[in-house]
Amino acid sequence: ETGVTQTPRHLVMGMTNKKSLKCEQHLGHNAMYWYKQSAKKPLELMFVYSLEERVENNSVPSRFSPECPNSSHLFLHLHTLQPEDSALYLCASSQGTVSYNEQFFGPGTRLTVL
Amino acid sequence: QQPVQSPQAVILREGEDAVINCSSSKALYSVHWYRQKHGEAPVFLMILLKGGEQKGHDKISASFNEKKQQSSLYLTASQLSYSGTYFCGTEMGFHGSSNTGKLIFGQGTTLQVKP
Repeated sequence: ETGVTQTPRHLVMGMTNKKSLKCEQHLGHNAMYWYKQSAKKPLELMFVYSLEERVENNSVPSRFSPECPNSSHLFLHLHTLQPEDSALYLCASSQGTVSYNEQFFGPGTRLTVL
Repeated sequence: QQPVQSPQAVILREGEDAVINCSSSKALYSVHWYRQKHGEAPVFLMILLKGGEQKGHDKISASFNEKKQQSSLYLTASQLSYSGTYFCGTEMGFHGSSNTGKLIFGQGTTLQVKP
């Protein structure tokens, strides 16, 4: 238990569906992250939010849309995804975005796009 | 830009030692090490900042050679609980500081410890 929760844990969706992933951190952190982890590929940073402002958008396709309504919650809205978007989506949080802050990861959402 | 980890996989017997390397072609500001067990979230191990310091706790330690742009993770007297995939995450930096929180992860090293 890292203090970061993600729902749902598993999601199967068609290419025309719209769904959202939710992340919540109970650690009082002010930075949150979305990562994508595909089979046999390294963790890929997607978005970084610091104090609810997006500070990093790592060339992610527009079919992924993040939202950070407050420092404890982070969403990833999904629409018209492709099968290659199937992956484990991990959320993480840290006290800040400075180099010496460790990141705490949630358990992830396993997404399958049919 | 992605750091390269070596070896890709290693199998050990309990009590044996292992070294995992993480090399970058770019100047580094910090290196983070995480371990991920199958089906679980990555768990933080340690952070090393530029300056060549070595950190450690229990029987896991790491070094950061800024000049060589690489970090090494040392696991001594390995235990069954050490099994998992180890990732290094690197943060690029130059002469100044880098406070982006943007980590680029290596492809991972799978460690299996057998009884």
